[in-house]
Amino acid sequence: DGGITQSPKYLFRKEGQNVTLSCEQNLNHDAMYWYRQDPGQGLRLIYYSQIVNDFQKGDIAEGYSVSREKKESFPLTVTSAQKNPTAFYLCASKSAGGYSGNTIYFGEGSWLTVV
Amino acid sequence: EDQVTQSPEALRLQEGESSSLNCSYTVSGLRGLFWYRQDPGKGPEFLFTLYSAGEEKEKERLKATLTKKESFLHITAPKPEDSATYLCAVQAYSGGGADGLTFGKGTHLIIQP
Repeated sequence: DGGITQSPKYLFRKEGQNVTLSCEQNLNHDAMYWYRQDPGQGLRLIYYSQIVNDFQKGDIAEGYSVSREKKESFPLTVTSAQKNPTAFYLCASKSAGGYSGNTIYFGEGSWLTVV
Repeated sequence: EDQVTQSPEALRLQEGESSSLNCSYTVSGLRGLFWYRQDPGKGPEFLFTLYSAGEEKEKERLKATLTKKESFLHITAPKPEDSATYLCAVQAYSGGGADGLTFGKGTHLIIQP
């Protein structure tokens, strides 16, 4: 099945620890995104990448880092500099363009909790 | 700055009781308006994209409409399985920017049997 796979579904982070969330897509999409979702708030963009080996900061990039070494993969690292990391993280992707390629599709999400 | 406001925040309906969810938006140049459905603990599921005022799209009991300032998601004769949070998002012509979406906070819909 084509889709976006996020892992792990649940992750616990200790204070001062870096953790990495995995995102893999087999949709052959060029653009990939990371969003953060907090209760009572809309989704907020962390980072995005429109092509391999290139990525840009979104609205709330502080305390996060990403890489895009392969078209299929866009991992997100939550660093110890992120002071309030407990949230639901969503990976998404979109094809290159064209009228029908404008839709952003989401993975199932990863829950990160600080312990 | 692009803004999206959804109302109501929560809505409880009886099964079969039709209603509408509202999405008001402010955007510099609308490239597309999106509706998603999100179940608890899951990622958003794509429903519709609307591109221009006057456009309408339908899927089963759902119908989305668009004007220059707002979009409505009409739910006709809903069933309990329609219970979810419905998210509205806009995408602007960003001229090479993020090309991402600006989301509203969602409407939490509960359909009681």
